[in-house]
Amino acid sequence: EIVLTQSPGTLSLSPGERATLSCRASQSVSSSYLAWYQQKPGQAPRLLIYGSSTRATGIPDRFSGSGSGTDFTLTISRLEPEDFAVYYCQHFGGTLWMFGQGTKVESK
Amino acid sequence: QVQLVQSGTEVKKPGASVKVACKASGYTFTSFGISWVRQAPGQGLAWMAWISPYNGNTKFAQEFQDRVTLTTDTSTSTAYMELKSLRSDDTAMYFCARVDVVVAASDSWGQGTLVTVSS
Repeated sequence: EIVLTQSPGTLSLSPGERATLSCRASQSVSSSYLAWYQQKPGQAPRLLIYGSSTRATGIPDRFSGSGSGTDFTLTISRLEPEDFAVYYCQHFGGTLWMFGQGTKVESK
Repeated sequence: QVQLVQSGTEVKKPGASVKVACKASGYTFTSFGISWVRQAPGQGLAWMAWISPYNGNTKFAQEFQDRVTLTTDTSTSTAYMELKSLRSDDTAMYFCARVDVVVAASDSWGQGTLVTVSS
């Protein structure tokens, strides 16, 4: 079973700053099957990135994804007020589709 | 536009069952899978299970394998998730999500159904 570990647990930043979120897999995974979601309080998750680096429809270009093997990164180039939320990575593979435990991006 | 609308809040007693509905619209129901994800209060997302409305194939996370039943009604484009033998730690928000296997991600989500288990 692949385990996804996200770090840091919480990221305290100011609007305009760059956010770098990490998702590490317990074994090598295909980058085609790594996705990122954003969730705001009281809302359903929203797909941001699929295939480790492709932005979903309507997602601003300040969001970017990268990585391969066991290490994947979500970068928000310049935080906007609406970007403060919890971010989850997810691996689609085999018989299990796991989520990481999430990274909260909070306003400093 | 693609929309998933879930059934309303449920309050159940321990040992009971709950059946959550997820009605899809705006796309061909049998062309995409439906995943179910739960989120306990203040916790992260936990993938539970997946069903293909096309052929009824299912996948389950091990911890839910014995207690969850997934079904679909293609005539009404509705997916159902039944969770049996409810416990207090099943209290959570339950989401359905459309799965696009081409992009290997869930690109549309229901609004969530809160299930509270309490004696």
